[in-house]
Amino acid sequence: SAVISQKPSRDICQRGTSLTIQCQVDSQVTMMFWYRQQPGQSLTLIATANQGSEATYESGFVIDKFPISRPNLTFSTLTVSNMSPEDSSIYLCSVGGSGGKHTEAFFGQGTRLTVV
Amino acid sequence: EDKVVQSPLSLVVHEGDTVTLNCSYEVTNFRSLLWYKQEKKAPTFLFMLTSSGIEKKSGRLSSILDKKELFSILNITATQTGDSAIYLCAAEPLSNFGNEKLTFGTGTRLTIIP
Repeated sequence: SAVISQKPSRDICQRGTSLTIQCQVDSQVTMMFWYRQQPGQSLTLIATANQGSEATYESGFVIDKFPISRPNLTFSTLTVSNMSPEDSSIYLCSVGGSGGKHTEAFFGQGTRLTVV
Repeated sequence: EDKVVQSPLSLVVHEGDTVTLNCSYEVTNFRSLLWYKQEKKAPTFLFMLTSSGIEKKSGRLSSILDKKELFSILNITATQTGDSAIYLCAAEPLSNFGNEKLTFGTGTRLTIIP
């Protein structure tokens, strides 16, 4: 199993500002995933963060809006830039099994973002 | 494009009832189907299903996968108020890396009335 520490747990931000969310994993993992869950919606994948290369973004998400860092195999950050009220969501990081093992995905505790 | 559809979208039952939640999927190179329970923010893992027809059980919860018809069900018997949550299913494709990104369904919001 993997334990993920995600912070902040929640934040209220002014529109036009940026927020950086951090995820620390207790083991080395190849891929980390960032999801968004808008109110009343399911989880939508934003991007896949690979160590040593640029993140791979899903359709509808761009690097300028959601820059991601992955400096090593245990850590990643997601920044929500130039925020608007539409960015109010829960943001979750996730990892799968390490060492090629097929396990369930593990999630961080989530960040509840409110943009005012 | 991979797709996961859950039904019903919401369900309200009385404590003690049995519920069945449905999940259908269309995934290229399907590997597994996962069920999660989401009470506040982070989804918590319930089941991973990779083989068809083999029921997985955990207490009052059970789940089974039908790879021919491309669906899965999650059963909860003798429901309790603590079962109130959003139940998410997610499909995972094959990957060379061990784990690949998940495609989530919209979830079923289950409410148990005392």
